[in-house]
Amino acid sequence: EVQLVESGGGLVQPGRSLKFSCAASGFTFSDYAMAWVRQAPKKGLEWVATIIYDGSSTYYRDSVKGRFTISRDNAKSTLYLQMDSLRSEDTATYYCARQEMGFDYWGQGVMVTVSS
Amino acid sequence: EIVLTQSPTTIAASPGEKVTITCRASSSVSYMYWYQQKPGASPKPWIYDTSKLASGVPNRFSGSGSGTSYSLTINTMETEDAATYYCQQWSSTPPTFGSGTKLEIK
Repeated sequence: EVQLVESGGGLVQPGRSLKFSCAASGFTFSDYAMAWVRQAPKKGLEWVATIIYDGSSTYYRDSVKGRFTISRDNAKSTLYLQMDSLRSEDTATYYCARQEMGFDYWGQGVMVTVSS
Repeated sequence: EIVLTQSPTTIAASPGEKVTITCRASSSVSYMYWYQQKPGASPKPWIYDTSKLASGVPNRFSGSGSGTSYSLTINTMETEDAATYYCQQWSSTPPTFGSGTKLEIK
């Protein structure tokens, strides 16, 4: 059974950093591109970043370029998102998702609140 | 970036009723993906490659469309179908989602 389990998140002040992870199981992690998708409270879904199967290429939405870094450790089957210079508009639930035929598996999400 | 406009924003349907949700793209896309999300839960893949049902999706659901116009249809509404549905494209980067259609039971 495919499982994506995020950990981390929480309350952070504007301008600070946060890093969280997504542990994958039930499939060969190193075969798939992975992504982060976020959802602000009471809002819709928004793609954040993608990393291809071997980590050699990454893609970001414009509003997070230069501030967020997606990475992966295939030996640990784990996906990461490092978020720097956080802003109030980054407040959202962040979902880890496997990128195949759209996004075919999603984690349970981790809440990030950026507030002073 | 390609903007996806869903309509209606909210719809209420009675059990047994036919429901259609539309997703219009600002530029032509090759395929459309649909997700179902219930309150407090993660989105679930629902339809992929425009018309293929994800695993476990009842066959009362169908997807269709091409170019800039796509739709999700429920042939006969059931209470468990109440949820928010999102369309999504990745014909061009960045991938984008529609703003969602909230489907309620009447």
